[in-house]
Amino acid sequence: GAGVSQSPRYKVAKRGQDVALRCDPISGHVSLFWYQQALGQGPEFLTYFQNEAQLDKSGLPSDRFFAERPEGSVSTLKIQRTQQEDSAVYLCASSRRSQRGSYQPQHFGDGTRLSIL
Amino acid sequence: DQQVKQNSPSLSVQEGRISILNCDYTNSMFDYFLWYKKYPAEGPTFLISISSIKDKNEDGRFTVFLNKSAKHLSLHIVPSQPGDSAVYFCAASGRTSGSRLTFGEGTQLTVNP
Repeated sequence: GAGVSQSPRYKVAKRGQDVALRCDPISGHVSLFWYQQALGQGPEFLTYFQNEAQLDKSGLPSDRFFAERPEGSVSTLKIQRTQQEDSAVYLCASSRRSQRGSYQPQHFGDGTRLSIL
Repeated sequence: DQQVKQNSPSLSVQEGRISILNCDYTNSMFDYFLWYKKYPAEGPTFLISISSIKDKNEDGRFTVFLNKSAKHLSLHIVPSQPGDSAVYFCAASGRTSGSRLTFGEGTQLTVNP
């Protein structure tokens, strides 16, 4: 399909393990975002890439969280030494570059549901 | 601090009637406001947006109204259909496509046949 693709859809890990979550944005979208959504809440911003450059990582909750987008397309969110409070749905979104003042909305993938035991 | 708030966790309406979902915000620097619809186990789907320089935007059955002085926006769905049953999120953004979205908590809309 032509949408944002995330894998895996579900991930169960034991506390202390490292996990890696993948995001394939829509082709041609230069902007890529990661969000974390806790149960019953709205998504919360984690980090933003423009092409391969990580321009904003102010939402990452700790230094255990790391994101990369080395070739400006696929992105990986890595969580080291996972804790139970990391359990959430992790959403990836992408958007086109704004053109001539026309706002380009973000389009979301279906997310990865992470459960830490 | 919660910059975007949806004070109604749920709303139930009859098929064919109007659904009105509300959202309040505190940051006057937001430039765009968006509504997303979310089904269970799926990601949010973009519905409609409005620029802060406008007070209304319409797309088919969906209309968004913005009252800047009150820092309030609403989404109207007319007529409501059972397939509209989902969680609706209000979100606010800065000016460019590189701006993060700040979301409300969501409102569960149920449209009864």
